[in-house]
Amino acid sequence: DADVTQTPRNRITKTGKRIMLECSQTKGHDRMYWYRQDPGLGLRLIYYSFDVKDINKGEISDGYSVSRQAQAKFSLSLESAIPNQTALYFCATGQGVEETQYFGPGTRLLVL
Amino acid sequence: GENVEQHPSTLSVQEGDSAVIKCTYSDSASNYFPWYKQELGKRPQLIIDIRSNVGEKKDQRIAVTLNKTAKHFSLHITETQPEDSAVYFCAASIDKLVFGAGTILRVKS
Repeated sequence: DADVTQTPRNRITKTGKRIMLECSQTKGHDRMYWYRQDPGLGLRLIYYSFDVKDINKGEISDGYSVSRQAQAKFSLSLESAIPNQTALYFCATGQGVEETQYFGPGTRLLVL
Repeated sequence: GENVEQHPSTLSVQEGDSAVIKCTYSDSASNYFPWYKQELGKRPQLIIDIRSNVGEKKDQRIAVTLNKTAKHFSLHITETQPEDSAVYFCAASIDKLVFGAGTILRVKS
């Protein structure tokens, strides 16, 4: 089955470290998204990409960067991790504005 | 930008009762309104959606209503079952989804 995958699934890191979260999809979708989930705050958009040459900031992009290496791959980087970036991170894909978004399994990040 | 508010934040119902979750949005240009369900430890998954040219949509025990004049939309679950227990998110979209904060639904058997 076509799917969205994320690596790693869990990560513990220290303040100041650089880390990368990776997302791959076999759905053939052009659009890819990175969200952050915190209790009581829902899903907040960090960055999104409508195709390989397109990168857009979302609601909470400060402290994050992304790379769209191919149609199927979209990576999220924390250049210098801080404790308030501790959260559950989801990658998602979609084919259009009014189309279903398909989420990856999530990466649980703890910054000490 | 768009802002979506969702209420209540938690909802407990007896098995077999109905559950209603309400959302309001701020941007009248929003034209797509999906609902996602997230079971414990799982990823969010779409359960139903509605577009701005439709007032109501139903799929078995779930239904969504949209009032564009008032800028609010609601999820209705009838005959609730324990497997309906989850976090539910509404969202509104012009060019990208903006999610509500979520509702924790607990169905007591």
